[in-house]
Amino acid sequence: DTGVSQDPRHKITKRGQNVTFRCDPISEHNRLYWYRQTLGQGPEFLTYFQNEAQLEKSRLLSDRFSAERPKGSFSTLEIQRTEQGDSAMYLCASSLVGLAGETQYFGPGTRLLVL
Amino acid sequence: GQQLNQSPQSMFIQEGEDVSMNCTSSSIFNTWLWYKQDPGEGPVLLIALYKAGELTSNGRLTAQFGITRKDSFLNISASIPSDVGIYFCAGQRGSGNTGKLIFGQGTTLQVKP
Repeated sequence: DTGVSQDPRHKITKRGQNVTFRCDPISEHNRLYWYRQTLGQGPEFLTYFQNEAQLEKSRLLSDRFSAERPKGSFSTLEIQRTEQGDSAMYLCASSLVGLAGETQYFGPGTRLLVL
Repeated sequence: GQQLNQSPQSMFIQEGEDVSMNCTSSSIFNTWLWYKQDPGEGPVLLIALYKAGELTSNGRLTAQFGITRKDSFLNISASIPSDVGIYFCAGQRGSGNTGKLIFGQGTTLQVKP
């Protein structure tokens, strides 16, 4: 399968714990995005990378959140000192910017539940 | 956060009927995308639109990029039970370096066999 993959698919944690999610993009894609989706809403942008450079961060991304893409391939999203409000689906998407435009392909998501 | 205005919020139709949903914005977008999401899964791309006025089909799905660049619609013809799911529109401004998507609230489609 050559699509976007995410790991883990589900995570249950206690409030105050740290969690880390991984995203593996489609191999030739140079852009990687993170989104958060809560129940009944569309995904909301968190941050994105072009190659290894983090080019934009949303105000939704508090100091407790950090994302990396060290070699321009896979990316990790870490949440420190989790809060119940962090419970959501975390989605990763990748894209290849071309002359026609840019199309983002999403992974299956990581569903986080903070107890 | 900012979201597009997507309507209707939900639809319950009979198998074989046609479906139409739309998305509007007060801002201009350079790209419109339509995705379908099943419970517990990530959004799956249905159609991508890159030019104002563009009309694109993918099987029984047809989508158009509004001429004002502030709206888009998606039509599904002859619906079948597997069309059930949540449909999202997403706009991308593409100005500067950012490619982030702004999503609508989703249209939940239920199809009665």
